[in-house]
Amino acid sequence: DTGVSQNPRHKITKRGQNVTFRCDPISEHNRLYWYRQTLGQGPEFLTYFQNEAQLEKSRLLSDRFSAERPEGSISTVTIQRTEQRDSAMYRCASRGTLQETQYFGPGTRLLVL
Amino acid sequence: GDSVTQMEGPVTLSEEAFLTINCTYTATGYPSLFWYVQYPGEGLQLLLKATKADDKGSNKGFEATYRKETTSFHLEKGSVQVSDSAVYFCVRGSTLGRLYFGRGTQLTVWP
Repeated sequence: DTGVSQNPRHKITKRGQNVTFRCDPISEHNRLYWYRQTLGQGPEFLTYFQNEAQLEKSRLLSDRFSAERPEGSISTVTIQRTEQRDSAMYRCASRGTLQETQYFGPGTRLLVL
Repeated sequence: GDSVTQMEGPVTLSEEAFLTINCTYTATGYPSLFWYVQYPGEGLQLLLKATKADDKGSNKGFEATYRKETTSFHLEKGSVQVSDSAVYFCVRGSTLGRLYFGRGTQLTVWP
């Protein structure tokens, strides 16, 4: 257990539905990252927060994807009008300002039918 | 563009065999380098890291040396165990902190 939690661990939804999942980082970590991992690939960067500010977002992200971290702690990701290509493992990681190591949560596995 | 290339798997070894998983990277500057591991049914965990050229990261009998001349960070272990069976990811850091992952190498160790 790294101290980073995510829920739900699994989510099955129908195409066109909206989904939201959540990340609880290690409490003293001010930096939070989201990654997406598909089968046979390594995790791919999605977005990054420093405290409540979203400082970087992948160019590959569609406008159906949004993330927030309003109080600089818990973060949520929402995917609107889900498509089958959104099926993946969504991983959250956190780190402190002076650290380079990111600590990963267990991930949320999304399946869009 | 910037990327990490690691040896394709799967890799299958007998217990006590020597392990090498090759990894090369491209980047501007000298980023930190990491190996992350994912054991079956678990999340990603840091295995080892190196933050500058010629640094050697080590943990649990695994080692990797940051070679800027060859832009490589190969993972080695002298004697693997069944419990080392996992997926290993070579990872490059960046200025803003985002990580660039290789595709992962599945290692299976047989008794």
